[in-house]
Amino acid sequence: AQSVAQPEDQVNVAEGNPLTVKCTYSVSGNPYLFWYVQYPNRGLQFLLKYITGDNLVKGSYGFEAEFNKSQTSFHLKKPSALVSDSALYFCAVRGYSGGGADGLTFGKGTHLIIQP
Amino acid sequence: DAGVIQSPRHEVTEMGQEVTLRCKPISGHDYLFWYRQTMMRGLELLIYFNNNVPIDDSGMPEDRFSAKMPNASFSTLKIQPSEPRDSAVYFCASSFGPGGGGELFFGEGSRLTVL
Repeated sequence: AQSVAQPEDQVNVAEGNPLTVKCTYSVSGNPYLFWYVQYPNRGLQFLLKYITGDNLVKGSYGFEAEFNKSQTSFHLKKPSALVSDSALYFCAVRGYSGGGADGLTFGKGTHLIIQP
Repeated sequence: DAGVIQSPRHEVTEMGQEVTLRCKPISGHDYLFWYRQTMMRGLELLIYFNNNVPIDDSGMPEDRFSAKMPNASFSTLKIQPSEPRDSAVYFCASSFGPGGGGELFFGEGSRLTVL
C-alpha cells in the first residue's frame, strides 16, 4: 500500500521569507510524486510533479520541490513567499504496479499561512 | 477545453434519498477518479476507472455507493440510500497517460449535505 505523510497541519511564514512544506511517502517501486494546491471552495490545482530525472522539480507560481529517494521525501519550497500563496497544500504519490498505475494517494494537507 | 465538469455543485437532501453525482472528464483523458473530502478524513480515493473500466473500488465505503462510466465522457457516483455521514465534498478528476505520470485535473466538486 502507498501512503503520504505531511507532518505539519499548518505552516506560518512571513511574506518575503522562504517557505518549506514537508512531505514523506511510502510506495512500492518507483514513485510518481505530485503537489497540489486548494483554495477555499475550489477543486485541487496541480503545481508540479516528479516522474524521473532531475531531483529538483520546478512548477507553477515559483514553487519547486526536491525529491530525495534515500529520505523518501518530496518537500515543497519557494524562495520568497507571497500572501497569495496562503492555501491548503497536498502532497500525493502514485505507484505503478505492473498492470498499470495505481490511484493517487493524498496526504492530509498542510495549511500554509503567509503573514504580511 | 472546459476542464472537468461536475454537477450538481451543491446538493442538500434528506436521509434515505438517492443521490447521483455526475462528471464529465476532459476529452482524451483515459483515467477517471472519484474522491471524497471531509475535514476528518481528508481526501479519500473512492474508485477509479481506466478506459471506462473500474480498476480499483476498494475505497468505496459500502454497498450504498456505486459508480459507473458508460462511456469516455461521462461518469456517475450514486449513493442509495444516503446517510448524514455521507456529507462531504465529492471530487471527480481525470488524467491522461500510460504509467500514471499524468497529473490529475480536478473538477470544482459537488458539496453534498444529507440531513
